[in-house]
Amino acid sequence: KAGVTQTPRYLIKTRGQQVTLSCSPISGHRSVSWYQQTPGQGLQFLFEYFSETQRNKGNFPGRFSGRQFSNSRSEMNVSTLELGDSALYLCASSPGQGGHNEQFFGPGTRLTVL
Amino acid sequence: AQSVTQLGSHVSVSEGALVLLRCNYSSSVPPYLFWYVQYPNQGLQLLLKYTSAATLVKGINGFEAEFKKSETSFHLTKPSAHMSDAAEYFCAVSDGGATNKLIFGTGTLLAVQP
Repeated sequence: KAGVTQTPRYLIKTRGQQVTLSCSPISGHRSVSWYQQTPGQGLQFLFEYFSETQRNKGNFPGRFSGRQFSNSRSEMNVSTLELGDSALYLCASSPGQGGHNEQFFGPGTRLTVL
Repeated sequence: AQSVTQLGSHVSVSEGALVLLRCNYSSSVPPYLFWYVQYPNQGLQLLLKYTSAATLVKGINGFEAEFKKSETSFHLTKPSAHMSDAAEYFCAVSDGGATNKLIFGTGTLLAVQP
């Protein structure tokens, strides 16, 4: 089975712009979660989607949003980019919901905001 | 609220020596605990997980971890370090309930000296 794929792998944007990141989960997985990784804050949970519904949301401003499509692919969007949004954004997929489930991570999208 | 604490942001061992990476958790419910490894410019790879089936959990690449409820610990060990083990290691706890949300520790960067 193919793993979790994320596109693009690298992005450079300027302050004030918006960006959309894409995640394709492992075939058959219906849950997708997003995390932000920065040197200062570490790994922080952004949101979780299951069957096209947002099930959980982290403590991020409303500029961060996401969605999930019927084929389980997910996108996240960041509007009005700030320098502090520079980070590695990781997507993880899981076959179901529940803390016991293993999550499979993609390689991440490295976003640089200038 | 669930949380994990990783003691030691940097650990250095000699090749062939014991690897011990420390993780303590706080959880209001029986926890699901995970160890992930991250190589440079890559996503997270699951090493092992504890889901209450057995207190000694064996993972990939010769790693194992022991769940000790009395000490609220889930330390990661490997009897003999290999150069390829050099990476960053993250301990995580599930947020509980029907969510896939993981709460990560701050990570431990493992260096292996020849």
